[in-house]
Amino acid sequence: AQKITQTQPGMFVQEKEAVTLDCTYDTSDQSYGLFWYKQPSSGEMIFLIYQGSYDEQNATEGRYSLNFQKARKSANLVISASQLGDSAMYFCAMREINTNAGKSTFGDGTTLTVKP
Amino acid sequence: DVKVTQSSRYLVKRTGEKVFLECVQDMDHENMFWYRQDPGLGLRLIYFSYDVKMKEKGDIPEGYSVSREKKERFSLILESASTNQTSMYLCASTGDSYNEQFFGPGTRLTVL
Repeated sequence: AQKITQTQPGMFVQEKEAVTLDCTYDTSDQSYGLFWYKQPSSGEMIFLIYQGSYDEQNATEGRYSLNFQKARKSANLVISASQLGDSAMYFCAMREINTNAGKSTFGDGTTLTVKP
Repeated sequence: DVKVTQSSRYLVKRTGEKVFLECVQDMDHENMFWYRQDPGLGLRLIYFSYDVKMKEKGDIPEGYSVSREKKERFSLILESASTNQTSMYLCASTGDSYNEQFFGPGTRLTVL
C-alpha cells in the first residue's frame, strides 16, 4: 500500500526567507506522480506543483520547487522568499498512475506560519 | 474557469437522518473522489468513481455510499448520519493520470 509521511506538523519561517517542507513516500509502483497542495484557512485545496517519477529534473513553479530524491523516496517542497500569504496547511500527495482513476494518497499535512 | 462545486458549504443534520452531499464538475473529467478531512488525519478517501455508474471503495467507506448517474455529478450519501461523521467533506475530480486533482470548496457537516 502507498503511504505518504509528513513529519513536520507545524513549521515557522520568517518572511522573505526560504523554507523546506518534508515529504517521504513509500510505494512499490514504478510509475507515480507526486503533488503538493496548499490549503489556506478558507479551506479550498490549491494545486502547487507536480513531479513525475520518471522526470529527471526537479519541478519548479515560480517560488515553489520540488526537491525530488527518488532513491531516498523523498519529495520535499521548497518555498523561496516566503510571504505572509504562504501561511497555510500544505499536503503532499502521491498518485498511482496505472490504476483505475489514479487515486491519490495524502499525507497528514504541515501547517506553515510565516512571521512578519 | 474550471470548477468543482459542492451543494453546501455548511450543513447541520441530526443523528439518523439521510444526508446527500452533491458534487458537480464542469471539466468533463472521468474520475471523481470523495474525501473527508479531520484534524491531524489529512485527507482520507471514502469512495471514488472512474466512469458513470462505476464506483470503488476507498480507505474508509463504512457508513457511506455514492452515486454517479451522470459524468459531471458524484453524490455522497450518508444513509443514517452519526455524530462520528461530523467532518469536512471534500470532492475532487481529475482527468488523466498525470493531472492534479481539482477540489471543490468543501462541505463542513455537523451531525448533532
